[in-house]
Amino acid sequence: GAVVSQHPSWVICKSGTSVKIECRSLDFQATTMFWYRQFPKQSLMLMATSNEGSKATYEQGVEKDKFLINHASLTLSTLTVTSAHPEDSSFYICSAGRDRGFGYTFGSGTRLTVV
Amino acid sequence: DAKTTQPNSMESNEEEPVHLPCNHSTISGTDYIHWYRQLPSQGPEYVIHGLTSNVNNRMASLAIAEDRKSSTLILHRATLRDAAVYYCILGLLGAGGTSYGKLTFGQGTILTVHP
Repeated sequence: GAVVSQHPSWVICKSGTSVKIECRSLDFQATTMFWYRQFPKQSLMLMATSNEGSKATYEQGVEKDKFLINHASLTLSTLTVTSAHPEDSSFYICSAGRDRGFGYTFGSGTRLTVV
Repeated sequence: DAKTTQPNSMESNEEEPVHLPCNHSTISGTDYIHWYRQLPSQGPEYVIHGLTSNVNNRMASLAIAEDRKSSTLILHRATLRDAAVYYCILGLLGAGGTSYGKLTFGQGTILTVHP
């Protein structure tokens, strides 16, 4: 079945540093990937749509200069949290769609803690 | 985006069927009905999706009302591993009709399964 690998699964960083999270589709090509953020006891919030070979589309209220998204190939999208602050601590999840027969596959998530 | 309404929580006993309802009265003709579930500290897992007809797979069944304003996810025999947050989401077909556009998560239903 369709597998999406997300790495790292958890990361702790110092305030002011940048962190990169990778999302790979292992057995299918994904022209579109999605990035979500989830705070404790809350639902997933869509941050942006990552498009292969073009700029990402950000949801309203998401700072594109802070959350840099790169989708350089059909199997890899990255999210870089720049100048991280404690309020950026969250669970970040990516997803990719294979085709309409399969719905979406989600990565296992990345727990980011900014200290 | 068309929204969905789900009960905040439901309980079931192991080995019994579970019917998880979802209302989507503003659904459009091109909206697919998706169900995902999420265990703590994990990414969501695809359960099932459909457009108009009832759907069955190895995990669950999806019963869609004739007017498509509501649907029910049916777990035929609940197990302890089915305890999760279940999300009912409406998703449009993406460009080209081969995959879906973005999915917007609501609060979902917390399913508790008792031994």
